[in-house]
Amino acid sequence: EVQLVESGGGLIQPGGSLRLSCAASGFTVSNSFMSWVRQAPGKGLEWVSVIYSGGSTYYADSVKGRFTISRDNARNTLFLQMNSLRVEDTAVYYCARVYDSGSGSSFDYWAQGTLVTVSS
Amino acid sequence: DIQTTQSPSSLSASVGDRVTITCRASQSISSYLNWYQQKPGKAPKLLIYAASSLHSGVPSRFSGSGSGTDFTLTISSLQPEDFATYYCQQSYSTPPYTFGQGTKLEIK
Repeated sequence: EVQLVESGGGLIQPGGSLRLSCAASGFTVSNSFMSWVRQAPGKGLEWVSVIYSGGSTYYADSVKGRFTISRDNARNTLFLQMNSLRVEDTAVYYCARVYDSGSGSSFDYWAQGTLVTVSS
Repeated sequence: DIQTTQSPSSLSASVGDRVTITCRASQSISSYLNWYQQKPGKAPKLLIYAASSLHSGVPSRFSGSGSGTDFTLTISSLQPEDFATYYCQQSYSTPPYTFGQGTKLEIK
């Protein structure tokens, strides 16, 4: 059974750093595409970042240069390192597995979400 | 970047109704369009991928259609558990994988 469990959210001051973790089971993270999606309070979904099985990474313009996606193959875990955090980064962050159907990429399994609050 | 626009932003309907939600892309995205359902406090769930393919375990009352720039999600007969917010998402070419702004489906 595919399962994703997140940890690492919390309250952080503007300018601070936080690292989110997403532990996977039931599949191999290193053989998969993995992504982060966030949702600000009362708002819609915003794609944040993706890491491909080959290691290529992409970021939304809103986080480029501040966030880094990575994985630990031995721990089968995905990470999101968030630096220089801003108030507008406040959101529930979801990790999700990317399913490549051959006709595009979709997010077929999601973690439960972890709240990141950036506030002084 | 490719933008996706959903309509309507909110919708009221009754159990048993047939409901259609529309998603329009700012340029042609072939069939690279997915649909998700999200209930309050929960993670989104994949319903439809590649415009018209039903994700495993999703009831057959959900269907998707379209290609190019115009897409629809249809619920053939609304059930009480279908009241939620629905999002489209495009994955054409390289990221960003943009989402629509969402359609909130409420009970009439």
